Amino acid sequence: DQQVKQNSPSLSVQEGRISILNCDYTNSMFDYFLWYKKYPAEGPTFLISISSIKDKNEDGRFTVFLNKSAKHLSLHIVPSQPGDSAVYFCAASDKSSGDKLTFGTGTRLAVRP
Amino acid sequence: EPEVTQTPSHQVTQMGQEVILRCVPISNHLYFYWYRQILGQKVEFLVSFYNNEISEKSEIFDDQFSVERPDGSNFTLKIRSTKLEDSAMYFCASMLAVYNEQFFGPGTRLTVL
Repeated sequence: DQQVKQNSPSLSVQEGRISILNCDYTNSMFDYFLWYKKYPAEGPTFLISISSIKDKNEDGRFTVFLNKSAKHLSLHIVPSQPGDSAVYFCAASDKSSGDKLTFGTGTRLAVRP
Repeated sequence: EPEVTQTPSHQVTQMGQEVILRCVPISNHLYFYWYRQILGQKVEFLVSFYNNEISEKSEIFDDQFSVERPDGSNFTLKIRSTKLEDSAMYFCASMLAVYNEQFFGPGTRLTVL
C-alpha cells in the first residue's frame, strides 16, 4: 500500500543551489501534507506543511508546492546548505478519518560544499 | 523549546518478554501517537490517542500492543510478548490540535533477540 511515494531515494546538490524534493500521492482524500527532515538516530523533525486549500506555503528557505490535480507536492530548499543533508520524508493525512500520518519512503539529500 | 522525550533510547529484550516504551509528550499537547520504522522501511502509524482513549489503530497494533497515559505527563506503549519482527525504531509523537504538525521524539530502538 504505497499511498505516498517518493520516487527518488537520493539527491545530490551543490551548496547554494536549489534542492527540489518530490512526492506523489494516490489517496485523493488527503488534505494535509507535511515535510519532515530526519538525521540518523533521531526522530523526524517537522519542516513545513500545507493544507489542501493552498497551493504554496513558504517558510524562510523552504517552500512547499501542492498540485492537487496531479496529486504531487514538492519541497524547494533555496539556497541549499551542507547542514540540510539528511533524509526528507513527506507525509499526508486525511482529517476526516483521523490524524494519522502516512509517510513516504524518504529521499536522502546530500548538499556538497 | 519544548520537545518530546522518549526512554529508553535502546531496549534489548528476549522474544516473548514484555517491554514498555515510555514517552513524555509536549506538555500542552492533546493528541498522542506511536509510530515505528523497521530498518530500511518507511515510518508506519501504530496508534493515536486522544481524551484518554485510542482514537485509531493500524493493523499492526494487535492484541499484543497497548497504550496508556497513566498520569498527566507520560504516554506508554506496551508490547506484551515481543516477537523478532517487533524489532524497530519506535517513535512517539504529540500534537497540539487538529491541522497542526506532529512533533516526534528521538525514538527507542527495540531489539528482540
